[in-house]
Amino acid sequence: AQSVTQLDSQVPVFEEAPVELRCNYSSSVSVYLFWYVQYPNQGLQLLLKYLSGSTLVKGINGFEAEFNKSQTSFHLRKPSVHISDTAEYFCAVTSFNYGGSQGNLIFGKGTKLSVKP
Amino acid sequence: GAGVSQSPSNKVTEKGKDVELRCDPISGHTALYWYRQSLGQGLEFLIYFQGNSAPDKSGLPSDRFSAERTGGSVSTLTIQRTQQEDSAVYLCASSLARVINTGELFFGEGSRLTVL
Repeated sequence: AQSVTQLDSQVPVFEEAPVELRCNYSSSVSVYLFWYVQYPNQGLQLLLKYLSGSTLVKGINGFEAEFNKSQTSFHLRKPSVHISDTAEYFCAVTSFNYGGSQGNLIFGKGTKLSVKP
Repeated sequence: GAGVSQSPSNKVTEKGKDVELRCDPISGHTALYWYRQSLGQGLEFLIYFQGNSAPDKSGLPSDRFSAERTGGSVSTLTIQRTQQEDSAVYLCASSLARVINTGELFFGEGSRLTVL
């Protein structure tokens, strides 16, 4: 079974500092990985995704993530955060079953990023 | 509409009552998901529809929960004999045929259920 672990429930950081939000997954098959963001009082939206190809993927708002198969990780990074990045970030995983059926999208418990001036 | 629409946006009910939550996905999206978002619990998968069938309903927490989808479009999540622990935000999302191809779910803004 798949699972996603977000190691930090809350990450406070000062504006313009770098940030890394950690995500580890477990799966016995090939995976596809996603980060979603939920701004205060808004719905979730896709930040970035890894389906195949380059292990470094870039998303919206200057975020990027690196797929590391050996460490089963997909950490999210931004070199310099803004106040407007304050939100909750969710890592998610799905897999491609051999029979061709679509796997579920399983989410982690989320990391609340709080950017302080 | 252009996005995923959920109703009601807020529902307050008394313990023991039944509730129905509705999701209207983006037109043409064949896959539809229900998730539950509780404080500190992240997004808990409930059920997934492909068309009108539900290949995976393993996330439904008890037999008080059921869902259906008709016409490959609107879905209804029903909770019978609600309990206080059912209080949460229920999120619906839709996608084109396969998430692994498109890589994106489109979420509604959720239905906040409060059971008194």
